[in-house]
Amino acid sequence: DIQMTQSPSSLSASVGDRVTITCRASQGISNDLGWYQQKPGKAPKRLIYAASSLQSGVPSRFSGSGSGTEFTLTISSLQPEDFAVYYCLQHNSYPITFGQGTRLEIK
Amino acid sequence: QVQLQQWGAGLLKPSETLSLTCAVYVDSFSGYHWTWIRQPPGKGLEWIGEIDHSGQTTYNPSLKSRVTMSVDTSMNQFSMRLTSLTAADTAVYYCARRLATVDYWGQGTRVTVSP
Repeated sequence: DIQMTQSPSSLSASVGDRVTITCRASQGISNDLGWYQQKPGKAPKRLIYAASSLQSGVPSRFSGSGSGTEFTLTISSLQPEDFAVYYCLQHNSYPITFGQGTRLEIK
Repeated sequence: QVQLQQWGAGLLKPSETLSLTCAVYVDSFSGYHWTWIRQPPGKGLEWIGEIDHSGQTTYNPSLKSRVTMSVDTSMNQFSMRLTSLTAADTAVYYCARRLATVDYWGQGTRVTVSP
């Protein structure tokens, strides 16, 4: 199985901050990665696909980068609605696996 | 707009079988992987497995011995059964559509396994 390791596991930040979340794959996965945002009681929402493509309707302050084994999700200027849990997902090989999540909290 | 609507029993006893069904409201049912994902309380996401329109399945090895998925293309529905439930199967279960990444999700079904 491909292990996806997210860091940090939790993060406190303020509105307006720039935030970066990292996902490392235990082996190369090309750009077969997506990023998701999940709010309490809701299904995850896709933000990024193919490592760096922005999902339609998602604000441009979200961006993704990386290829191979290291990937980042960056929020350029945090807004109040961005406080949530973020997950990466790899679909390069079965079983499909998720990172363990990063909880983004208000400082 | 794609919509997935799921249903199934929410309270089950140990050793019982979980059955969930997901209806898909979409122009095309073929060409996608129809996926089940679960999330234990306060924990992360786990991919359970998926099925395509032809009925080809791929399961997570960790659950493979207990899970069965099926598809009804005439109704644009797909289903999952998970047998021999234990408390560790308590989770919110989501159906979802996947082409590469998962793009659309059902609303989730909270499943509790308790004596």
